Amino acid sequence: GNSVTQMEGPVTLSEEAFLTINCTYTATGYPSLFWYVQYPGEGLQLLLKATKADDKGSNKGFEATYRKETTSFHLEKGSVQVSDSAVYFCARGETSGSRLTFGEGTQLTVNP
Amino acid sequence: EAEVAQSPRYKITEKSQAVAFWCDPISGHATLYWYRQILGQGPELLVQFQDESVVDDSQLPKDRFSAERLKGVDSTLKIQPAELGDSAMYLCASGRGLNNEQFFGPGTRLTVL
Repeated sequence: GNSVTQMEGPVTLSEEAFLTINCTYTATGYPSLFWYVQYPGEGLQLLLKATKADDKGSNKGFEATYRKETTSFHLEKGSVQVSDSAVYFCARGETSGSRLTFGEGTQLTVNP
Repeated sequence: EAEVAQSPRYKITEKSQAVAFWCDPISGHATLYWYRQILGQGPELLVQFQDESVVDDSQLPKDRFSAERLKGVDSTLKIQPAELGDSAMYLCASGRGLNNEQFFGPGTRLTVL
């Protein structure tokens, strides 16, 4: 099965609500972890990353902490905006080599 | 800001025809990736190049798909013959090396009729 599991969507929130999108992974060793965002009609953009346990990646108000003990990398934002509406992908890097394995993606819609 | 370029952005073809997609990575990026993203799913790696060499094509359907990066810069992905199930977004990404961070192009959306 897939080695990256994301919270099922879609997720619909009101503006300024708190966001959590869950992501768990399976791996041997300590892979790098990523969140990518895909706006409608566009390619993927790197949102944030963490390369070792307990690292916190952050960007544009989004945060995710690399939790080795729970093999998780949940994405959070304290106050979402309409412009955050997009599909969010959690990804795991290989411990050898550089390929990425992606989760299924979570569609986020933020209403005014 | 340097970007990964892909063309065409959209392609409609009939089954059994041949199609080709082009990717120009960010200058200086040695590693180039082709992914396929089926609607509603995450991208899946098809092939990875390091310079002009293929380092991972384990998920590439080699009976119909081929990829090349002859001079270690731009790359072409070809499908011949196309099948209905090949309809998807084809994403190209590039990176500096083995730190996993990849930069994605806008993709080519393929529709096979």
